[in-house]
Formats: sequence, structure tokens, C-alpha cells
Amino acid sequence: EPEVTQTPSHQVTQMGQEVILRCVPISNHLYFYWYRQILGQKVEFLVSFYNNEISEKSEIFDDQFSVERPDGSNFTLKIRSTKLEDSAMYFCASVSTDTQYFGPGTRLTVL
Amino acid sequence: GESVGLHLPTLSVQEGDNSIINCAYSNSASDYFIWYKQESGKGPQFIIDIRSNMDKRQGQRVTVLLNKTVKHLSLQIAATQPGDSAVYFCAEKSPYNFNKFYFGSGTKLNVKP
Repeated sequence: EPEVTQTPSHQVTQMGQEVILRCVPISNHLYFYWYRQILGQKVEFLVSFYNNEISEKSEIFDDQFSVERPDGSNFTLKIRSTKLEDSAMYFCASVSTDTQYFGPGTRLTVL
Repeated sequence: GESVGLHLPTLSVQEGDNSIINCAYSNSASDYFIWYKQESGKGPQFIIDIRSNMDKRQGQRVTVLLNKTVKHLSLQIAATQPGDSAVYFCAEKSPYNFNKFYFGSGTKLNVKP
């Protein structure tokens, strides 16, 4: 069964450093998402992406965040200058019709 | 904005019993809902979905009920097993932006052997 994959599974970084989180969505899906989940809290929408551009973003998704689809398979989330409060699980999801399928997540720890 | 909330943060059930997890939503125009299961350290896993033109949908050991009158949905798990222990949360698709989903904060299901 096809699945969404994410790398790395755990990323530790120093405050102020740039990080890139990678996702490979399910191949025939057209809509892609990034979500964040701070430990013990609900899943929060960050951004949706369709046809090589952002279609919706939340107030969390400020200028420090960017997304790209550099090739036909990868979908990346970049945080330019990480802050302590960026520590969270980051999930990628892709959509077939309406149903969202999530990846296993990347745990980002900012020290 | 929309809000999706859960009635109980933790639910403990005996193995073999049925479990019922509840979720309330705020926007009467919402027309698509998903239940997810999230095990510790893993991503949300799709369980079952329902559209607003249905009141009930059944899967394998799971049933989702939708009550549009009171904007409430529930997930019923039959014959709960230890492997069902996880956090369950509902997600609501925004009726105004088909790209956007709103998630509840989750109910932790503990299954006692």
C-alpha cells in the first residue's frame, strides 16, 4: 500500500539554524500539506500546496517558513532561522479526493 | 474560525468492551469529517470518514455516527482490543476552503486487559 514518507525522523538543531524537512507524498496525489503538532497538543495546519504553489497558509506559517516541490516526488518544508518554540512534530500529508494520508512525522528539537 | 473539540480527554475501557469517542464541531456547513488514530510517536492514521449526506458509516469494528442537528459525531469501536490504545481525534474539512482541515485535540483511549 502506498504511503507518505518523511525524513529525517528526528532532527536536532541549534536555535537560529536552518532546517529542511523532507516528505515524499503518495505518487498520484495532487494536494500536499504540512502540519505541526507540539507535544501534547492538537495537530495544527501550516500550509497547503497545489500545482506548485501555496494555496492556503495559516498564521503560524510566517516568513521563516517556506515550502518547495523541487522535483516530481519530494515536498520540503524549510524553516530559515529556528526558534525554541518551533520544537514539535511536523507531519506531511497528501490527499486523494478528500482523504488525507499522513506521514510518520519528523520530530524537530531546537536547542 | 471553525473549531473541533472533544468531550473527554481520556477514556478507559476494558478489553472486549465497546468504546465511544465523541467530537463536536462548530460549523453547520461542514460536510466532511475524518477520524484518525494516533499512536505514540507516530503520524495520524486514517480510520474512517463520513460525509454530511450520511448519518452513519461502518468499517471494520468501527462505526461513525454523525448528528448534524447538534453538530456532533462519534466513533464507536466494537470489542476494543489492547492495540486500539491510542489518541483518537476527529478532523473537519473547512466548508469554505477545501484545502483546509481543522483537528480536535484528541481523546486518549486506554484499553485495560
